[in-house]
Amino acid sequence: KAGVTQTPRYLIKTRGQQVTLSCSPISGHRSVSWYQQTPGQGLQFLFEYFSETQRNKGNFPGRFSGRQFSNSRSEMNVSTLELGDSALYLCASSSLAGGLPDTQYFGPGTRLTVL
Amino acid sequence: KNEVEQSPQNLTAQEGEFITINCSYSVGISALHWLQQHPGGGIVSLFMLSSGKKKHGRLIATINIQEKHSSLHITASHPRDSAVYICAVENNTDKLIFGTGTRLQVFP
Repeated sequence: KAGVTQTPRYLIKTRGQQVTLSCSPISGHRSVSWYQQTPGQGLQFLFEYFSETQRNKGNFPGRFSGRQFSNSRSEMNVSTLELGDSALYLCASSSLAGGLPDTQYFGPGTRLTVL
Repeated sequence: KNEVEQSPQNLTAQEGEFITINCSYSVGISALHWLQQHPGGGIVSLFMLSSGKKKHGRLIATINIQEKHSSLHITASHPRDSAVYICAVENNTDKLIFGTGTRLQVFP
């Protein structure tokens, strides 16, 4: 079974631009979560999607948004980029069978650098 | 105070040593995860626990729900075990809360 894939792997943008990151979960997984990792803040939860609906949301400004498609692929968008948005963005998928907690499988991440 | 605390923050060991990393949490949880992150960012999910103990190769994870504490043990450590180990708990709304990680370096 293929793992979680994220594209692109590396991205460089400038302040004020917007960016869209993509995540393809493991086949059959319906839950996709996004995380931001920075050296100063560690891993922080952004949001979780299940069956095209946002189920949970972390404490990030509205510039951070996401969506999930019917094939469970998810995209994350950051508008009006700031220098502090430079981070590793990780996506994780799980099957969440029956609504029970399940192991999260992480993708390799997208490293975003904002100049 | 963080809801998930890990100790130690940094750990160095000689190859072959037995290693323990601790995780304490203050919220109600439905599950606890141990994650491994190698340089470059790739994260691997090691264990998901809701009770008791799990073993995979040289790795053992235990959890004590009453004491709100979990430990990750590495037996016969090896330089390839060098990584950041992260404890994360799923609270009762299925949201993951992460610890700050333990950076482990194992020297030959």
